[in-house]
Amino acid sequence: DTAVSQTPKYLVTQMGNDKSIKCEQNLGHDTMYWYKQDSKKFLKIMFSYNNKELIINETVPNRFSPKSPDKAHLNLHINSLELGDSAVYFCASSQTGGSYEQYFGPGTRLTVT
Amino acid sequence: AQSVAQPEDQVNVAEGNPLTVKCTYSVSGNPYLFWYVQYPNRGLQFLLKYITGDNLVKGSYGFEAEFNKSQTSFHLKKPSALVSDSALYFCAVRDTGFQKLVFGTGTRLLVSP
Repeated sequence: DTAVSQTPKYLVTQMGNDKSIKCEQNLGHDTMYWYKQDSKKFLKIMFSYNNKELIINETVPNRFSPKSPDKAHLNLHINSLELGDSAVYFCASSQTGGSYEQYFGPGTRLTVT
Repeated sequence: AQSVAQPEDQVNVAEGNPLTVKCTYSVSGNPYLFWYVQYPNRGLQFLLKYITGDNLVKGSYGFEAEFNKSQTSFHLKKPSALVSDSALYFCAVRDTGFQKLVFGTGTRLLVSP
């Protein structure tokens, strides 16, 4: 059973389009995250939700809008895609008050042309 | 703000030799430190963590890490490297104010046969 899953795995689209990435975790965790990994492999947090509430919103363009319909799901919608949005996006989850480690999904490689 | 530094972009080691991947940290308060590994085209996998207790922490795949408070370091080690250990390794620290991890820039480990 996959603990943290993301769809799609690959996403190729043109500038100006709108796209969504979905994430689901079956670990029973109450906190979920979106990270962006750039071409140099640098990993940076974008958002975090705890029990469907936004708790972390780093300096991310407002073209990026996360949504958490329930604590097992966290989706990321991106409007008006730009070339600089090309990256690998990782979803992760953890449990509040637990041992603090986060568990990561396999990533979604977004390529904007 | 919490931060970690990985001073080496790449570490090369021969199979069977011991390996060390370096990490230093800067935190206010007690550090919660983690190591993750990323294989090509995969998500991050949790290796081990230090929260409190023994300075030598054992983790997955035969890896261990040594917490050194006086040197503010948390180096990842393995007594005998395998070719299959070749991957990208990330050190991370938990931000005590928020439920997020701050990652280092990553160190690529290359184990030659």
